Amino acid sequence: EVVLTQSPGTLSLSPGERATLSCRASQSVSSNYLAWYQQKPGQAPRLLIYGASTRATGIPDRFSGSGSETDFTLTISRLEPEDFAVYFCQQYGRSPTMYTFGQGTKVDIK
Amino acid sequence: EVQLVQSGAEVKKPGDSLKISCMGSGYIFPSYWIGWVRQMPGKGLEWVAIIYPGDSDTRYSPSFQGRVTISADKSIRTAYLQWSSLKASDTALYYCARLDNSGYRFDQWGQGTLVIVSS
Repeated sequence: EVVLTQSPGTLSLSPGERATLSCRASQSVSSNYLAWYQQKPGQAPRLLIYGASTRATGIPDRFSGSGSETDFTLTISRLEPEDFAVYFCQQYGRSPTMYTFGQGTKVDIK
Repeated sequence: EVQLVQSGAEVKKPGDSLKISCMGSGYIFPSYWIGWVRQMPGKGLEWVAIIYPGDSDTRYSPSFQGRVTISADKSIRTAYLQWSSLKASDTALYYCARLDNSGYRFDQWGQGTLVIVSS
């Protein structure tokens, strides 16, 4: 079973700064199978990035994803006030079917 | 517009049974896998199970297999998650979520159903 480890646990930044979030897999993951979600307090998660680097519909271009195999990164180029939230990475595994989430990175206001 | 609308919050006692629901609209309900994701208080996301409403094919996370049952009624565009005997440790927010065409990620989410199990 693949384990996803996100770091840091909390990232304290100011609006306008760049945020770099890491998601490390315990074994190689196909880029096609890696996604990122944003969750704001009291809200359901929202799909941000899929296929490691493709933005979902309506996601601003300040969000970007990169990486391959065991190391993936979500970057927010310039933090807007609405970007302060928790971010989760997720991978799909087949045989058996499995959807695994990282434990999350909280981006909060410094 | 795709929407997933979940049933309301539930407060139950240990040993009670429960069935929560998720109604989909704005898309062809039988043609997309739909599933459930648990979020315990202050914690992360855990995949529970998925179902293909078109033929009721199911997949379960090993962590939840035998503890819950996922089902769907495509005639009323609704998916369900049920427990036969709740435990206090089942207290959590449960989201229904639709898998996109690839089946690799959840592209639409319901608003969540809070389940509280307490004596």
